[in-house]
Amino acid sequence: AQSVTQPDIHITVSEGASLELRCNYSYGATPYLFWYVQSPGQGLQLLLKYFSGDTLVQGIKGFEAEFKRSQSSFNLRKPSVHWSDAAEYFCAVVPYSGAGSYQLTFGKGTKLSVIP
Amino acid sequence: DTGVSQDPRHKITKRGQNVTFRCDPISEHNRLYWYRQTLGQGPEFLTYFQNEAQLEKSRLLSDRFSAERPKGSFSTLEIQRTEQGDSAMYLCASSLGGSNEKLFFGSGTQLSVL
Repeated sequence: AQSVTQPDIHITVSEGASLELRCNYSYGATPYLFWYVQSPGQGLQLLLKYFSGDTLVQGIKGFEAEFKRSQSSFNLRKPSVHWSDAAEYFCAVVPYSGAGSYQLTFGKGTKLSVIP
Repeated sequence: DTGVSQDPRHKITKRGQNVTFRCDPISEHNRLYWYRQTLGQGPEFLTYFQNEAQLEKSRLLSDRFSAERPKGSFSTLEIQRTEQGDSAMYLCASSLGGSNEKLFFGSGTQLSVL
């Protein structure tokens, strides 16, 4: 079965600093990969996704992620963090697409705090 | 596009009581998902509907849990004889399906079982 590891439970960065959130997955083939953000009291919002092709994926709100097959990683990055980015971030994988369902497997999340 | 709506936002119940949650997906979305999220964890898949048909169920979904989507629009999730371990955030998501699947999540129903 596939699994997702987010090694950092909580990260604190200063506003304007760069950010990298780590995600490692375990799956026999290349899965579809996602990053979601969850603010308090809000639902999950999709930041970006990787299905195939270019391994550097651009998302919303200035986020990007890079798929590295050799490292089974899909790390999320942002060059300059804004205070409004404080939230919880979830990496997720799904092993199948197309006609079937999206049974997303989520990591445990990384909580991001931003210091003004 | 009014988003995925879930009701209620919060539910407090006593152990042994039955509870029912409702999810209204984005109109024309034929796929609907239920996930459960406990404190400090990511969401876990519970079940999936394609229109009114419940096509997949997780082993997490014990026989005390039942979900319906009678007309292929809104869905309900019922938990019978609630237990303290059922305390969690229950999330609903909907999508159009297809090769470029994108799930839209609701804000969830927070269940507390006392």
